[in-house]
Amino acid sequence: ETGVTQTPRHLVMGMTNKKSLKCEQHLGHNAMYWYKQSAKKPLELMFVYNFKEQTENNSVPSRFSPECPNSSHLFLHLHTLQPEDSALYLCASSQEPARGPRDTQYFGPGTRLTVL
Amino acid sequence: SQQGEEDPQALSIQEGENATMNCSYKTSINNLQWYRQNSGRGLVHLILIRSNEREKHSGRLRVTLDTSKKSSSLLITASRAADTASYFCATVPEVYNQGGKLIFGQGTELSVKP
Repeated sequence: ETGVTQTPRHLVMGMTNKKSLKCEQHLGHNAMYWYKQSAKKPLELMFVYNFKEQTENNSVPSRFSPECPNSSHLFLHLHTLQPEDSALYLCASSQEPARGPRDTQYFGPGTRLTVL
Repeated sequence: SQQGEEDPQALSIQEGENATMNCSYKTSINNLQWYRQNSGRGLVHLILIRSNEREKHSGRLRVTLDTSKKSSSLLITASRAADTASYFCATVPEVYNQGGKLIFGQGTELSVKP
């Protein structure tokens, strides 16, 4: 276990549904991240939060809406997704604050999302 | 364009053999990290090497970094079936904006046959 948990582990949703992914880290870290991992593609960084403030939005469509209520929790709200959004969504955290991760990131197990 | 590119894309070896994976990147880095991912799971950090380091060891892992060639290699010695996984290199650019980034390559799929 890395100290980062994600729920649910699997999610199937229709294109009109609204769902949320949850990530929680128990490591006392100050930075949290959402990544998307599609088949045959490198991990894509989606969002970065440092001390609850969003510091990076990597041109992610607005149908993905992140929320970081505190340094330990990160959500990804999903709305009117497309089938091509089906992927493994990974959450990660790191100790480093606003100036960027010069150390390691700790990943959760991921949520396998399927959009029908 | 992606920063890290691993080579080979897939590698199949017998248990007990050594496995070598390579990573090339394009821009100056602060550090380079290697991660392992078992099928459909999250990534696990293996080792970090900073730009002023040339070699690092951790157990059966040996990582080298050649900043002049912008390349790194990961060597797993005396491989085991449990080493079967995808291995990713990830770089932290030397110059970064607030927020920071790990830029991942596409990974090498390692299969270790018993």
